[in-house]
Amino acid sequence: GDSVTQMEGPVTLSEEAFLTINCTYTATGYPSLFWYVQYPGEGLQLLLKATKADDKGSNKGFEATYRKETTSFHLEKGSVQVSDSAVYFCALSDRGTGGSYIPTFGRGTSLIVHP
Amino acid sequence: DAGVIQSPRHEVTEMGQEVTLRCKPISGHNSLFWYRQTMMRGLELLIYFNNNVPIDDSGMPEDRFSAKMPNASFSTLKIQPSEPRDSAVYFCASRRGASGGGAYEQYFGPGTRLTVT
Repeated sequence: GDSVTQMEGPVTLSEEAFLTINCTYTATGYPSLFWYVQYPGEGLQLLLKATKADDKGSNKGFEATYRKETTSFHLEKGSVQVSDSAVYFCALSDRGTGGSYIPTFGRGTSLIVHP
Repeated sequence: DAGVIQSPRHEVTEMGQEVTLRCKPISGHNSLFWYRQTMMRGLELLIYFNNNVPIDDSGMPEDRFSAKMPNASFSTLKIQPSEPRDSAVYFCASRRGASGGGAYEQYFGPGTRLTVT
């Protein structure tokens, strides 16, 4: 079946540091890829997405590029802020045997940014 | 739009009691998902519906769990009888485009924190 593997956290950074959270996937089809963010006490919300190879998703200074050749979708930000502290989930959506699009999530990576 | 609405936000109950969690998806969304989140197991997909029909319930842990979607604007997740190991945060999410929905993101509700003592 499909799977998503994320680097384990927590990732601890100082404000204005560069962020990379690695994500790799396995899929039987040609999935769409997503990054979601979860702030304490809240549900997940979409951060960015990419639907085909070489697409770059971006939002709020975060970026990720769909790399089909390496089956990766790494999340990056050039300068993190304390307010970016949250849990980040990599996810994919792939067509199942019944024709429906089934979501698969990684375990999540906790990011802690210190002032 | 109000977003995905879940109720209650918090539920504390005793072992053996029946628990019902409720979800109202975003209007116009065709797919609905129920998840459970714990520290140990992360985010688990329990069941999902397309156009009110259950498509995949392979994630439902056991027969004590059941889910229904009687119409496009309402779904329930029921646990009967509840056990302490069911303690978790339960999320409902909705997505548009049931059959061609691969490129669409899910919209999550705020979750129901369930504690079974």
